[in-house]
Amino acid sequence: IAGITQAPTSQILAAGRRMTLRCTQDMRHNAMYWYRQDLGLGLRLIHYSNTAGTTGKGEVPDGYSVSRANTDDFPLTLASAVPSQTSVYFCASSDSGTTGTDTQYFGPGTRLTVL
Amino acid sequence: GQNIDQPTEMTATEGAIVQINCTYQTSGFNGLFWYQQHAGEAPTFLSYNVLDGLEEKGRFSSFLSRSKGYSYLLLKELQMKDSASYLCAVRDRNYQLIWGAGTKLIIKP
Repeated sequence: IAGITQAPTSQILAAGRRMTLRCTQDMRHNAMYWYRQDLGLGLRLIHYSNTAGTTGKGEVPDGYSVSRANTDDFPLTLASAVPSQTSVYFCASSDSGTTGTDTQYFGPGTRLTVL
Repeated sequence: GQNIDQPTEMTATEGAIVQINCTYQTSGFNGLFWYQQHAGEAPTFLSYNVLDGLEEKGRFSSFLSRSKGYSYLLLKELQMKDSASYLCAVRDRNYQLIWGAGTKLIIKP
């Protein structure tokens, strides 16, 4: 593994189903993030984690949950998917999350369609 | 509220120079980032500014004026591979990144 990986690459999901998007990084970064990207809008932060064992809510957290059991993994769960959650989801990581120079590095993304 | 503004789309010619502007209004400022995103791919880091002035990195330069809430990304000697979206993001007082919607740059031969 080099950098950040996400799985699946794409998924079509029936409304009401539960879905977990996986994210793994091998850079030993402390901070990890989940964003969604929709056409015409900037990246919007869903949840973040500044260190293993802690998580925080971003701009659009409703309908999503995360956990950070260890440094490398940061799964995003949709408990009951709705069509408005159709989007491209990016996972990112950074060294600290609490300094100005901290640069975020992105995974390849998961394209999710909820029907 | 917090807001990042950048043009939706720009067109330029191969070999030319293009300037992509970004204006921001955020609660606090802890640096401004530019990312490049090719269609269907992840954003990749281009530059970071925290002090006023110009940062040069090869064909790409980024400028910041904190008093004006303004930045630009300057791309020189444009190549076809520079066709992409360019995302401006500002780190606010809580160290969260606030993102603009991106500028789609189209390069014509």
